[in-house]
Amino acid sequence: DSGVTQTPKHLITATGQRVTLRCSPRSGDLSVYWYQQSLDQGLQFLIQYYNGEERAKGNILERFSAQQFPDLHSELNLSSLELGDSALYFCASSVGVGGRWETQYFGPGTRLLVL
Amino acid sequence: TQLLEQSPQFLSIQEGENLTVYCNSSSVFSSLQWYRQEPGEGPVLLVTVVTGGEVKKLKRLTFQFGDARKDSSLHITAAQTGDTGLYLCAAPDRGSTLGRLYFGRGTQLTVWP
Repeated sequence: DSGVTQTPKHLITATGQRVTLRCSPRSGDLSVYWYQQSLDQGLQFLIQYYNGEERAKGNILERFSAQQFPDLHSELNLSSLELGDSALYFCASSVGVGGRWETQYFGPGTRLLVL
Repeated sequence: TQLLEQSPQFLSIQEGENLTVYCNSSSVFSSLQWYRQEPGEGPVLLVTVVTGGEVKKLKRLTFQFGDARKDSSLHITAAQTGDTGLYLCAAPDRGSTLGRLYFGRGTQLTVWP
């Protein structure tokens, strides 16, 4: 158990819909990261928040948005869903801003299926 | 294009065999990490290597970082069924986006009894 929690574990929805994925980081961790894992792209970085502020942005679509709240939990919002958005979405957390000395702890993921 | 190329993509072996998986890039990295991911779970960090030529051992797993810090290998001795999983290498970005990790596509290892 990494100490990172994600809800829901599974999500099935239809194209065009909007969903929210939730992540609670490990106690004391200030950074939250979101990754998408698909069969064709592998594990891809989406976005990082550090202590409530956006810190780094990756290949995140404009239809996706995220935020980190004062209690440090984070939400990833996916809208106008397409079939290709079906993937595993992972949240990770770390103590600081990242880098080679930091360990990112991954949650169990949310499996999203868009029909 | 993938920044980190892993090979082989799939590996299926018998218990007791040795194996090596590779992670290669044309870029130089400040460090490289190896993760293992099991079905239904998130990746779990196995090791971080930071110095060119560095070798780290974790029980039956031996990790090596290339001298030029562009490649790495993971060698497993006497594989066990519990070693089955997806092995991923990852490297952090630099500068203002150093929290970002780039991942290879992974090597799916299956160890049969």
